[in-house]
Amino acid sequence: ETGVTQTPRHLVMGMTNKKSLKCEQHLGHNAMYWYKQSAKKPLELMFVYSLEERVENNSVPSRFSPECPNSSHLFLHLHTLQPEDSALYLCASSQDGVRASTDTQYFGPGTRLTVL
Amino acid sequence: RKEVEQDPGPFNVPEGATVAFNCTYSNSASQSFFWYRQDCRKEPKLLMSVYSSGNEDGRFTAQLNRASQYISLLIRDSKLSDSATYLCVVESNYQLIWGAGTKLIIKP
Repeated sequence: ETGVTQTPRHLVMGMTNKKSLKCEQHLGHNAMYWYKQSAKKPLELMFVYSLEERVENNSVPSRFSPECPNSSHLFLHLHTLQPEDSALYLCASSQDGVRASTDTQYFGPGTRLTVL
Repeated sequence: RKEVEQDPGPFNVPEGATVAFNCTYSNSASQSFFWYRQDCRKEPKLLMSVYSSGNEDGRFTAQLNRASQYISLLIRDSKLSDSATYLCVVESNYQLIWGAGTKLIIKP
């Protein structure tokens, strides 16, 4: 399936590195999301973009910086991360472009991030 | 109390058996409910929405109990391929709140 793609699939970085995660959706959706998934914990919503505007930022540390240049692409820029930031980062998209979206979310395969 | 709670499992179930698990939620005003499935090292995928009247999709039945504030998922005639983690998702204050998931292992 190629509805939502993410690159890279795996990333190992040091605490002083700068890296970016990329997400692309080919579904014509209006909303895109970044989630963090740690082992045995619920998915944590980080950011929501609707029609390229950020509509949700759930108290995420500034070392995570999202960018949405258009409705098909979403980036997560990483800078001076901590080891506890190691997790699976999932991108998702949904049709609805409004904040109160309860549409089906389609996920990418995720980027497994390890911070040394 | 967590907004959405699930028994983490694992539930070890023989192939062909029926298995059910619940998910409790704290916001009585929640209106939308979903079950997602997540295979090991894969992304979550929608399994089914949960309607007030309950709904069935093949071997899977989802039900909502508003009085007790829980949703349930029943799997009949379980297959080896049903092994996965099942995530409960509840709408609360216009956001989707995810449970941590229930791990199901179907054994031959």
